[in-house]
Amino acid sequence: GQNIDQPTEMTATEGAIVQINCTYQTSGFNGLFWYQQHAGEAPTFLSYNVLDGLEEKGRFSSFLSRSKGYSYLLLKELQMKDSASYLCAVIDSNYQLIWGAGTKLIIKP
Amino acid sequence: GAVVSQHPSRVICKSGTSVKIECRSLDFQATTMFWYRQFPKKSLMLMATSNEGSKATYEQGVEKDKFLINHASLTLSTLTVTSAHPEDSSFYICSARGLQSSYEQYFGPGTRLTVT
Repeated sequence: GQNIDQPTEMTATEGAIVQINCTYQTSGFNGLFWYQQHAGEAPTFLSYNVLDGLEEKGRFSSFLSRSKGYSYLLLKELQMKDSASYLCAVIDSNYQLIWGAGTKLIIKP
Repeated sequence: GAVVSQHPSRVICKSGTSVKIECRSLDFQATTMFWYRQFPKKSLMLMATSNEGSKATYEQGVEKDKFLINHASLTLSTLTVTSAHPEDSSFYICSARGLQSSYEQYFGPGTRLTVT
């Protein structure tokens, strides 16, 4: 079967750095997305990785290792508004998007 | 660019009635649209995928006669929840994928449905 694992919940302090991990086992791989979702709102796009390595975009970076079936989202200089759920999603060989359950990130002052 | 709208944003209906939710791509042509359902504190659950001009493909366990999907044009898809029951209360989100972006889905703001 296809599976995407991410921690259910994480807590971090304002101004700090947090890394949210995602591991996947899917039938084929055509890329991995990270989305941010605030409570009661739809997901918003953060990043897309299809090649190994680190993609940096402001305070957010995303890393991919295809051989390990592993990705992480790195958030720097955390702000209270970063409190949200972060969803990892993988495109499989059928170009279907397989969603992780999401990681709820709680930022404390 | 790549804006997707949904209407209504919130709807309350009585049990037994039907509710239609619209999803529109405002500045691009959406060849494929997706309908998701999300329960509180849970991830997105794909209900169906629709391509313009053809019948929707429903995920296993989703009743096609209950959740009617129409994708009549490249900018509009509708989801009709027929004979709604309280257990249909949920957050419904659509997303759209255009020709330019093979993989990325652009999400609408979602519709909160409450069935009383």
